[in-house]
Amino acid sequence: KAGVTQTPRYLIKTRGQQVTLSCSPISGHRSVSWYQQTPGQGLQFLFEYFSETQRNKGNFPGRFSGRQFSNSRSEMNVSTLELGDSALYLCASSLPGVEETQYFGPGTRLLVL
Amino acid sequence: AQTVTQSQPEMSVQEAETVTLSCTYDTSESDYYLFWYKQPPSRQMILVIRQEAYKQQNATENRFSVNFQKAAKSFSLKISDSQLGDAAMYFCAYRSAPYAGGTSYGKLTFGQGTILTVHP
Repeated sequence: KAGVTQTPRYLIKTRGQQVTLSCSPISGHRSVSWYQQTPGQGLQFLFEYFSETQRNKGNFPGRFSGRQFSNSRSEMNVSTLELGDSALYLCASSLPGVEETQYFGPGTRLLVL
Repeated sequence: AQTVTQSQPEMSVQEAETVTLSCTYDTSESDYYLFWYKQPPSRQMILVIRQEAYKQQNATENRFSVNFQKAAKSFSLKISDSQLGDAAMYFCAYRSAPYAGGTSYGKLTFGQGTILTVHP
């Protein structure tokens, strides 16, 4: 099976812009979780989607949003980018209720200038 | 809320020797999952090993094994016969049982990580 894929892998934006990141889960996985990784804060949970519904959300401002499509692919959007949004964004997929292990994609590295 | 603590920011080991990475966690739940993930310089997060809290037997995966002490809330990772390819950042992570619902859905809580260096 193909693993979790994320696009793009690298992104450079300027403050005030918005960005959309994409994640395609492992075939058959219906849960997608997103994480932000920074040197200062470590790995922090952003949100989780299952069957096109957001079931859980971490402690991030409303500028961070996401969605999931009927094929389980997920996108996250960050509006009005700030310098502090520079990070590695990781998504992970799993089969909730069957296999609780999360499998991660390679991440998208976002740099905000 | 659950917390995960990795008290060793850095560890080093000689090739072919054994090293143990420490992890402690805090939770009021009785059923949960614990994981060790490896993140090499490529930044890809790779699952190393997983442990279900209700299982008393410690998980093993080839050269990787854990020492799970539920009462002490301790979950250490032992790497035997260390190889150069084991060099990476290692993260301990906690996940609530699926039926916990609510703020537990799809959320892994990670420790701060331990950088492992392997010397040839």
